[in-house]
Amino acid sequence: AAGVIQSPRHLIKEKRETATLKCYPIPRHDTVYWYQQGPGQDPQFLISFYEKMQSDKGSIPDRFSAQQFSDYHSELNMSSLELGDSALYFCASSRGQGNYGSGGELFFGEGSRLTVL
Amino acid sequence: DQQVKQNSPSLSVQEGRISILNCDYTNSMFDYFLWYKKYPAEGPTFLISISSIKDKNEDGRFTVFLNKSAKHLSLHIVPSQPGDSAVYFCAARGLGTGANNLFFGTGTRLTVIP
Repeated sequence: AAGVIQSPRHLIKEKRETATLKCYPIPRHDTVYWYQQGPGQDPQFLISFYEKMQSDKGSIPDRFSAQQFSDYHSELNMSSLELGDSALYFCASSRGQGNYGSGGELFFGEGSRLTVL
Repeated sequence: DQQVKQNSPSLSVQEGRISILNCDYTNSMFDYFLWYKKYPAEGPTFLISISSIKDKNEDGRFTVFLNKSAKHLSLHIVPSQPGDSAVYFCAARGLGTGANNLFFGTGTRLTVIP
């Protein structure tokens, strides 16, 4: 079965550079979530989109922005990169917004590892 | 402040025995709980979930128990198999916390010894 696809899997950038991560959700999934997992830390929710509209926002820095496109794929743009942005970035998708009673299981991609030097 | 806590960073169990992974939470608004399993270099994989209207949910070798009064849930794996060796994350979400985001625990690394 098709899973969530993230690209690139690995990315190395210098400080103050810009990076873009892409996420392709499971077919027919309309909700995309972005999580950041730093070394030795649990995944932290960044932002989510439902039907191309931002649906929730977590601890996403102002230097980061994201959007969901008409084909439901999403891109996370990170500018003015800092050393602390080095992390594993997970994208997840679900069908519907996972509201109360609908299950809410998220299906995760394999992650994109960003290293900022 | 960590709203979902997994106080045991690691657990080793003999193959065939029961594995019990524990999770505590602090936010009484959480109404849905999930367990994810993560292998190295892979994204978390959904394992099992439980709604706050239940106290037990079973799926094959995996059973999740929820004690709302204690704000505690646990995942039981019986019998444990070497392929179960992975990091297990507990996650929670609920009304008023933003239905779209999950709060994750820090994970427990389970090692099943053949």
